[in-house]
Amino acid sequence: AQKVTQAQTEISVVEKEDVTLDCVYETRDTTYYLFWYKQPPSGELVFLIRRNSFDEQNEISGRYSWNFQKSTSSFNFTITASQVVDSAVYFCALCTSGTYKYIFGTGTRLKVLA
Amino acid sequence: NAGVTQTPKFQVLKTGQSMTLQCAQDMNHEYMSWYRQDPGMGLRLIHYSVGAGITDQGEVPNGYNVSRSTTEDFPLRLLSAAPSQTSVYFCASSLRAGGQLGETQYFGPGTRLLVL
Repeated sequence: AQKVTQAQTEISVVEKEDVTLDCVYETRDTTYYLFWYKQPPSGELVFLIRRNSFDEQNEISGRYSWNFQKSTSSFNFTITASQVVDSAVYFCALCTSGTYKYIFGTGTRLKVLA
Repeated sequence: NAGVTQTPKFQVLKTGQSMTLQCAQDMNHEYMSWYRQDPGMGLRLIHYSVGAGITDQGEVPNGYNVSRSTTEDFPLRLLSAAPSQTSVYFCASSLRAGGQLGETQYFGPGTRLLVL
């Protein structure tokens, strides 16, 4: 069975601090895809990144970076020098080649305090 | 492109009433899906469709029906609303069936439903 665990329910940081959001996944498939989405207070879901299981290179996009480690089944998301606008709920998701279904974690609420 | 659109944005129903949540996309996407979002539970898949005329159940399908007569539209029907269906509903689409190719899903703005 596929599963995504985001153990951190809520994180609060002070502006300019770095913060890492954890995502641990479970799947027996060798081909799978991982995603991160952001849900700001306005409620829409914004796509951030997609990664396939064959590409373990870390990725950096501005203040955002992602660390994919197959050995620990983790796909963690780090925000460097956090800003108030980063306050949102962040979701990690998994889909595998054997299904048409995307599995979402329960989300991590990030509060960045000024 | 308007992307994925959903109507209405907000709806109040009484227990036992039926209604249809509308979802449309103008990106010629094959794959469409419906999720519900409840506090502390993330997004749970209700139904999905891999193309016109093809639908299947997700994780929480009970109480909901779908059909896909065109590529663009994927309505979600509540047959007899219950308070347990109070939730925020999101429609999403991707170019092709996601599991096969890991396509990115793009989400509509959501419909907030309150069942009294």
